[in-house]
Amino acid sequence: EAQVTQNPRYLITVTGKKLTVTCSQNMNHEYMSWYRQDPGLGLRQIYYSMNVEATDKGDVPEGYKVSRKEKRNFPLILESPSPNQTSLYFCASRTGLDGANVLTFGAGSRLTVL
Amino acid sequence: AQKITQTQPGMFVQEKEAVTLDCTYDTSDPSYGLFWYKQPSSGEMIFLIYQGSYDQQNATEGRYSLNFQKARKSANLVISASQLGDSAMYFCAMRVVDSNYQLIWGAGTKLIIKP
Repeated sequence: EAQVTQNPRYLITVTGKKLTVTCSQNMNHEYMSWYRQDPGLGLRQIYYSMNVEATDKGDVPEGYKVSRKEKRNFPLILESPSPNQTSLYFCASRTGLDGANVLTFGAGSRLTVL
Repeated sequence: AQKITQTQPGMFVQEKEAVTLDCTYDTSDPSYGLFWYKQPSSGEMIFLIYQGSYDQQNATEGRYSLNFQKARKSANLVISASQLGDSAMYFCAMRVVDSNYQLIWGAGTKLIIKP
């Protein structure tokens, strides 16, 4: 089944404890992206990647890191999480850039930072 | 600046009635795409419908249609014969070349279908 898989789905952590949210897609998509969703703000892009070894900042990159060493994987790293990073996180991928190429989303990862 | 506005934070609609969810956009790019996604309470993001700026006809997908009014810069989602399962958050998004093909999202509309 074509899908984007995120792990963990739920995580409660404490301020300053490094964590990684993994994202993997099995559709051979070039493009991958991370979003965070907060009430009343819609989805805001954190980082995106057009292809392997090519990453760019989105609208809210502060406090996050990413890497794209392989086409299928795009992990999101929080080096020193803070409570304002408590959010619902989505990884998404698509093939190509233009037209009706639709983003396929992972199921989401709900992160709470105490 | 590129922007998507969804002016209805929440809506209540009677089951079986048609629903229109508003979306207005702002861009100076002549080439853009408009998307609608549904997010049920379970949290996943489900693609509903797409409209390209050069498409001559309004997009339709089953019970979903997109009322695309280019001059007014609006891309309203119409759901015909609403069902209880349509209760969800609905997001409008726009992709433009100027933003390096990234999606710009609206804040969403929470739709509740009443039995």
